[in-house]
Amino acid sequence: AQKVTQAQTEISVVEKEDVTLDCVYETRDTTYYLFWYKQPPSGELVFLIRRNSFDEQNEISGRYSWNFQKSTSSFNFTITASQVVDSAVYFCALSEARGSTLGRLYFGRGTQLTVWP
Amino acid sequence: DTGVSQDPRHKITKRGQNVTFRCDPISEHNRLYWYRQTLGQGPEFLTYFQNEAQLEKSRLLSDRFSAERPKGSFSTLEIQRTEQGDSAMYLCASSLDAGLNTEAFFGQGTRLTVV
Repeated sequence: AQKVTQAQTEISVVEKEDVTLDCVYETRDTTYYLFWYKQPPSGELVFLIRRNSFDEQNEISGRYSWNFQKSTSSFNFTITASQVVDSAVYFCALSEARGSTLGRLYFGRGTQLTVWP
Repeated sequence: DTGVSQDPRHKITKRGQNVTFRCDPISEHNRLYWYRQTLGQGPEFLTYFQNEAQLEKSRLLSDRFSAERPKGSFSTLEIQRTEQGDSAMYLCASSLDAGLNTEAFFGQGTRLTVV
């Protein structure tokens, strides 16, 4: 069975602090994809990153970076020099490959990040 | 606006009434998904379509729920005889069936409150 665990329900930081959001997943599939989505108060889920199970290279995009470790089944997300606009709920999600396409997304419960000025 | 559009954004209904939500996906996307999100939880999969064919339904989708995508474009989600437990955000997403290197784009959701 597929499962995504985000143990941190809420995190509060002060602007310019670095913050890491944890994500641990479970799957029996050898081919799978991991995602991070951001959900601001408006409600729309905003895609941030997709990572496949064969690519363990860490990725950096501006102030965002992702650390994928298959050995610990983790896909953590770090925001460097956080800003107030980063305040949102962040979801980690998992999708299996269904033949040549992706299946449904399995989401974690989300981490509410609040960045104070 | 070229994103996923959902209507209405908010719906308040009395228990026992029927409600219908609409989702307009990104125009070239052939896959359309429905998810439900309750307070403090992540979205949970309900069903998805490939063009007009409904390919998978979650056990969460009781017989009071029905989804359609008649022409492979927009989709509707109907809930009959609503219950208070149906109160949630209903999210629609679409994607292009372009192999494994694809992602789902979400709409802003329809927030349903059953009173």
